[in-house]
Amino acid sequence: AQSVTQPDIHITVSEGASLELRCNYSYGATPYLFWYVQSPGQGLQLLLKYFSGDTLVQGIKGFEAEFKRSQSSFNLRKPSVHWSDAAEYFCAVGAPRDYKLSFGAGTTVTVRA
Amino acid sequence: NAGVTQTPKFQVLKTGQSMTLQCAQDMNHEYMSWYRQDPGMGLRLIHYSVGAGITDQGEVPNGYNVSRSTTEDFPLRLLSAAPSQTSVYFCASRAGNSNQPQHFGDGTRLSIL
Repeated sequence: AQSVTQPDIHITVSEGASLELRCNYSYGATPYLFWYVQSPGQGLQLLLKYFSGDTLVQGIKGFEAEFKRSQSSFNLRKPSVHWSDAAEYFCAVGAPRDYKLSFGAGTTVTVRA
Repeated sequence: NAGVTQTPKFQVLKTGQSMTLQCAQDMNHEYMSWYRQDPGMGLRLIHYSVGAGITDQGEVPNGYNVSRSTTEDFPLRLLSAAPSQTSVYFCASRAGNSNQPQHFGDGTRLSIL
């Protein structure tokens, strides 16, 4: 079964600085990978996904993520953070012919002025 | 665009009471699922359904029942509420292929006293 780890529980960044959130997965083949964002009191919104092709994927809100098979990673990046990016971010992994999606524990991002 | 609708948004129960959390989607998605979200644990799958009349257990199914009589609706029942079931519950739906993203409702915040 697939699993995912987000090593950072909480990250604080200054507005305008770059952001990188780490995600490591465990799966024997190429998984389906997703990043979701959750604002306080809200449901989860899809930022981007990867399942094949170009390993650098672009998402909404200026986010991108890079799939690195050799490192079993799918890190999320944003070049310049805005105060509205303060939220909790979840990495999730799925697999072909498997209905279940496994989520990481989440990383909370705080943006300081 | 209604998407995934969950009701109620908030609920307080006493230990031993029963209740049903409602979930409806208007996207004709085959796959629906229920998650619970607890601090530091990400989202954990409770039950899921791959179509009307078909349900299966996730990783934390004890104390919960589900049914799927229509494509649109996927209610979650707590048979005898316990304080350990205090959590935020999310319903999600997805088109058939597992590389498709899940669409989440806004959640039900449930407290068991």
